[in-house]
Amino acid sequence: DGGITQSPKYLFRKEGQNVTLSCEQNLNHDAMYWYRQDPGQGLRLIYYSQIVNDFQKGDIAEGYSVSREKKESFPLTVTSAQKNPTAFYLCASSRRTTSGGADTQYFGPGTRLTVL
Amino acid sequence: QKEVEQDPGPLSVPEGAIVSLNCTYSNSAFQYFMWYRQYSRKGPELLMYTYSSGNKEDGRFTAQVDKSSKYISLFIRDSQPSDSATYLCAMSISGNTGKLIFGQGTTLQVKP
Repeated sequence: DGGITQSPKYLFRKEGQNVTLSCEQNLNHDAMYWYRQDPGQGLRLIYYSQIVNDFQKGDIAEGYSVSREKKESFPLTVTSAQKNPTAFYLCASSRRTTSGGADTQYFGPGTRLTVL
Repeated sequence: QKEVEQDPGPLSVPEGAIVSLNCTYSNSAFQYFMWYRQYSRKGPELLMYTYSSGNKEDGRFTAQVDKSSKYISLFIRDSQPSDSATYLCAMSISGNTGKLIFGQGTTLQVKP
């Protein structure tokens, strides 16, 4: 079964702690993305990576960090610097387009992070 | 002003109704337009993908793009209770890295 997995499904964090959210895909996609979803605000891009060992900041990268050491994995760390981390976090992947167009993004099931 | 505007609803319709969901956008460079469906506490799934202007039909779903008006629509015919979900529009600029800009989503409830 090809797809994207995210773990854990639910995560609780105390204030001041860093936590890492896992995202793995077996679709052989080059590009991977992290989004944050808050009620009534749609999806906002945190970080994205078009290729291994390379990634770029999205619109709301402050307080987050990522790594891309393997093609199939793109973990997101929510640091203590993130002021309001409680949200639903979604990982996505897509083929890397060579023609310059936008290819379909496939999403994982999400991780719900709650700060206690 | 947000780049992509979408009425959050909620929109409530009886089973069998035709549903119209819409997004407006401000950036005329957008070339690729998508509609995603998201059930509660799940990840979004792609419903429709269109390039530039025109219509695209897939079963009960029709996506429409009017670039001159900067307006896109998703029509659902013969709506079913299983269509109850949040519908997100998304769009991208040609030549971009693949970054998508999302609307905030419209919550739809189809009542039996």
